[in-house]
Amino acid sequence: DIVLTQTPLSLSATPGQPASISCKSSQSLLRTGGRFHLDWFFQRPGLAPQLLIYEVSNRFSGVPEKFSGSGSGTHFTLNISRVEAEDVGVYYCMQSEQVPRTFGQGTKVEIK
Amino acid sequence: QVQLQQWGAGLLKPSETLSLTCAVSGESLSGYFWSWFRQSPGKGLEWIGETYDGGSSHYNPSLKSRVSISLDTSKNHFFLKLNSVTAADTALYFCARGLRRQLYFDSGSYHNRGYFDYWGQGTLVTVSS
Repeated sequence: DIVLTQTPLSLSATPGQPASISCKSSQSLLRTGGRFHLDWFFQRPGLAPQLLIYEVSNRFSGVPEKFSGSGSGTHFTLNISRVEAEDVGVYYCMQSEQVPRTFGQGTKVEIK
Repeated sequence: QVQLQQWGAGLLKPSETLSLTCAVSGESLSGYFWSWFRQSPGKGLEWIGETYDGGSSHYNPSLKSRVSISLDTSKNHFFLKLNSVTAADTALYFCARGLRRQLYFDSGSYHNRGYFDYWGQGTLVTVSS
């Protein structure tokens, strides 16, 4: 199975300041069909995950431009350009390179 | 607008069968793949398995011997069954739609690569005697 390791596991962000979450894969994800199959989700407690970024760097419909993704191979990053109170929750990376699909442990983002 | 509405029994005894239904509105089941996930209390997300119209189902090896996922295209529903539940199966269960970006052949069957764009609201299932 592909293991995804996120860092940090918790992040206390200053409103209006940037934040960054890393996701490292135990295996290099292949660029298949011109895409890396690594996605980012946001989840609030008790609610369903929401897709933020798909295929490393594509923002899903309705996702604010302050969210961006980058990376390749084994190292991927989610950036939030200006953290706001509404961004509080848990962020997960997920790979769909192979089954079983796997998630990172999650990064809990709080506001200072 | 695509919506996934899920339901099923929320309280089970050990050894019983977990059964959940996910009703899809706003889109046909065809052309997508349909998955189930779960999240144990205070823990991360786990992929349970998936299926698609005209294709085979694939399951997480950790659950493969106990799980079944199927479709009813006439009703636009898909289903999760998990046999012989224990307390370890207590979790919030989610259904989700997978948007196919690539179909590839591996280990004797076709698999989907894609991303999960629409999710059900979640069903809390508790296993307790």
